[in-house]
Amino acid sequence: SQKIEQNSEALNIQEGKTATLTCNYTNYSPAYLQWYRQDPGRGPVFLLLIRENEKEKRKERLKVTFDTTLKQSLFHITASQPADSATYLCALMDSSYKLIFGSGTRLLVRP
Amino acid sequence: DAGVIQSPRHEVTEMGQEVTLRCKPISGHDYLFWYRQTMMRGLELLIYFNNNVPIDDSGMPEDRFSAKMPNASFSNLKIQPSEPRDSAVYFCASSRRALGGDTQYFGPGTRLTVL
Repeated sequence: SQKIEQNSEALNIQEGKTATLTCNYTNYSPAYLQWYRQDPGRGPVFLLLIRENEKEKRKERLKVTFDTTLKQSLFHITASQPADSATYLCALMDSSYKLIFGSGTRLLVRP
Repeated sequence: DAGVIQSPRHEVTEMGQEVTLRCKPISGHDYLFWYRQTMMRGLELLIYFNNNVPIDDSGMPEDRFSAKMPNASFSNLKIQPSEPRDSAVYFCASSRRALGGDTQYFGPGTRLTVL
């Protein structure tokens, strides 16, 4: 069956360090992968989109990689700040062109 | 633009009552999505519309759920009769064009509690 896995345990890091979040998937061949940020009590907010023919995408302190062989995407936040604390969701487009979301990983950045 | 607007923000009702959730998408967006989020199941797509036409409702849990989009500016999701297991946060989202390849803009959500 199709699965998207994100680490359910919270990632707790010190301010200034690089946060790395993982999204693994099985039985998908997604053309696109997206990352969203969700704060408590709010809807998800789009951060980055990466296509299957792109290895890496950057936006300011954010970097996403997409390895279709490993079936994995890594999401990096460099020089992390307490304001980066949130839940981060990855989402894949499935074969019927719908976005399927992972369950999210909570990031806590300590000052 | 004000973004995606949802109402009400919170709804508490008793089992068996009808619940109506409302959404106003971003002007000019052709796609509208209804999602449900729970701790156990995460964010699940219920139904989506393209140009006001329902395209895929395979995520709708059962016949108690229905959704309509009478025009480009409004959609509603109804649950009748509601049950305690329907308690969740319901999000509406809209996007400009192709699914998957375009950004989805989410509303603030409606937190539904069915007692």
